[in-house]
Amino acid sequence: QKEVEQNSGPLSVPEGAIASLNCTYSDRGSQSFFWYRQYSGKSPELIMSIYSNGDKEDGRFTAQLNKASQYVSLLIRDSQPSDSATYLCAVRDSNYQLIWGAGTKLIIKP
Amino acid sequence: DGGITQSPKYLFRKEGQNVTLSCEQNLNHDAMYWYRQDPGQGLRLIYYSQIVNDFQKGDIAEGYSVSREKKESFPLTVTSAQKNPTAFYLCASSIAAGAASGNTIYFGEGSWLTVV
Repeated sequence: QKEVEQNSGPLSVPEGAIASLNCTYSDRGSQSFFWYRQYSGKSPELIMSIYSNGDKEDGRFTAQLNKASQYVSLLIRDSQPSDSATYLCAVRDSNYQLIWGAGTKLIIKP
Repeated sequence: DGGITQSPKYLFRKEGQNVTLSCEQNLNHDAMYWYRQDPGQGLRLIYYSQIVNDFQKGDIAEGYSVSREKKESFPLTVTSAQKNPTAFYLCASSIAAGAASGNTIYFGEGSWLTVV
């Protein structure tokens, strides 16, 4: 059973600090990696995608991928209260199926 | 505007009743998906379709049915055989299913189904 694991949280971070969200996956042949943000009662929206090892930056968000260690992380700099949400990690595995983590709830405290 | 439209946003089902959730996309995407999300849980795949007139079961297809008669439309029927249908239902689409890279999934706004 291919798995994507996330700490369910909640992860509490002071406003202005860096929030670090982590995700591990079991299929070493996984191809693509995605972070989605989901506000309570709303549908997920794409934050970032990453396909190769290393860092990918987009504004206040940085995705980090380490295929050897089979983890992907999302850093949020200068955290804002509006960043409070559940963050879902999704991994497209070696069979091109999208496997979802259960999400990490992030709370940014003013 | 391009996007994925789900309707209705809220739906109540009586015991023994079939209900259909609508999903329409104007993104010209080949692949469409239905997910179920229970409170505090991740997404579980119900059905997906890679092309018109073809669809495959996901992880929790029992008690659900779909059709894909048009590229733009992928309705989901929750049948009376689904014993615990109360959940948040998400329709999604992507350019195609199974590409080695890219192929991001985009979601509609979701439909809340409650059994009364």
